[in-house]
Amino acid sequence: IAGITQAPTSQILAAGRRMTLRCTQDMRHNAMYWYRQDLGLGLRLIHYSNTAGTTGKGEVPDGYSVSRANTDDFPLTLASAVPSQTSVYFCASSSGATSTDTQYFGPGTRLTVL
Amino acid sequence: GQNIDQPTEMTATEGAIVQINCTYQTSGFNGLFWYQQHAGEAPTFLSYNVLDGLEEKGRFSSFLSRSKGYSYLLLKELQMKDSASYLCAFMDSNYQLIWGAGTKLIIKP
Repeated sequence: IAGITQAPTSQILAAGRRMTLRCTQDMRHNAMYWYRQDLGLGLRLIHYSNTAGTTGKGEVPDGYSVSRANTDDFPLTLASAVPSQTSVYFCASSSGATSTDTQYFGPGTRLTVL
Repeated sequence: GQNIDQPTEMTATEGAIVQINCTYQTSGFNGLFWYQQHAGEAPTFLSYNVLDGLEEKGRFSSFLSRSKGYSYLLLKELQMKDSASYLCAFMDSNYQLIWGAGTKLIIKP
């Protein structure tokens, strides 16, 4: 693989179900990010990780959790999905967290919660 | 507080020039990014400005005025493939990106 991959590409989920969105990068980037993108709004940061073993909350963290057990993987979990979490989710990475390095994005996961 | 604003939609003609503006307000600033996003795809990096002035990269140029909280993306010799959304984002004092809602650019033949 090259760059960032996300899985699944799309998912329809019943409200109340648990769901994990997967993100893997092979660029050995230190920092990784989860965003959601909704029509008419800019990308909003959910959670981030500056380096393996550390995570932080972004602008809209409620209802989501993340882990960063190693450099490559950064899964996002919805413990109990609600319809307001219907969105397109993008994972991104950059080589450094406390720098102005460019963020590179995965292809996105389109999630619908019914 | 922090905010960022850009027009929702613009229309231009193939072969022409278009300027997409972005204004922002923030107390901490570490640069201004522009990304391109085709429908249904991921955002891809176009440019980064941290100093005032114009950065030219082929058909695309980006300008920054830090004192005015203003940036623009200039696209020359427009092609149909330039039809996309253009996202501006500034990097705040915590090195996090604050994103505008994007400008949808429609190119007509």
